Amino acid sequence: NAGVTQTPKFQVLKTGQSMTLQCAQDMNHNSMYWYRQDPGMGLRLIYYSASEGTTDKGEVPNGYNVSRLNKREFSLRLESAAPSQTSVYFCASSGKRTSVEFPSYEQYFGPGTRLTVT
Amino acid sequence: RKEVEQDPGPFNVPEGATVAFNCTYSNSASQSFFWYRQDCRKEPKLLMSVYSSGNEDGRFTAQLNRASQYISLLIRDSKLSDSATYLCVVNFIHSGGYQKVTFGIGTKLQVIP
Repeated sequence: NAGVTQTPKFQVLKTGQSMTLQCAQDMNHNSMYWYRQDPGMGLRLIYYSASEGTTDKGEVPNGYNVSRLNKREFSLRLESAAPSQTSVYFCASSGKRTSVEFPSYEQYFGPGTRLTVT
Repeated sequence: RKEVEQDPGPFNVPEGATVAFNCTYSNSASQSFFWYRQDCRKEPKLLMSVYSSGNEDGRFTAQLNRASQYISLLIRDSKLSDSATYLCVVNFIHSGGYQKVTFGIGTKLQVIP
């Protein structure tokens, strides 16, 4: 049971280049998320997919596109990379779990992609 | 006002000490609450959910105060391995089922030998 996997782990791009970050989960979760994490900023939501076939913008979507390929896979694309997109990118998934007190949607994260744009 | 606020620290405590972190949230309709742990250059991992009645997991105790809109995490008998950043997470679930997840900036804990 791998949980959430991401590729690549590291990437260096030149300004203007494009790339796709891949994410897959094997927990049969409906919801998937892409975050970026920058020093002093915390985790910020880029895009999310509440279920297969749907995607929506998060807090910082500019410069990114996403594809929910199927229930397992959710990819993030940078069409024309900029230095401001240098960051650590995390994919996450969540599924509903009925807990003691309330429906719980705990998130599980992939190991992250460290992207540098020069 | 930020949706979720945490003191970024760092909190430097000796081994064996008890340390507490607080986190405040602005949306009174928030429904579920969590603490995550993030080690340096790693992904966040779920530490524990936070229930209204308070809950404990070994040396860790989490509490929720809905009236004052804050959650807390208490770590007893701190170990060197507890050194990490602790993220407060607040969820609001829309009627359509989508959950708005808001992360705090994290509180850095350093346990000193």
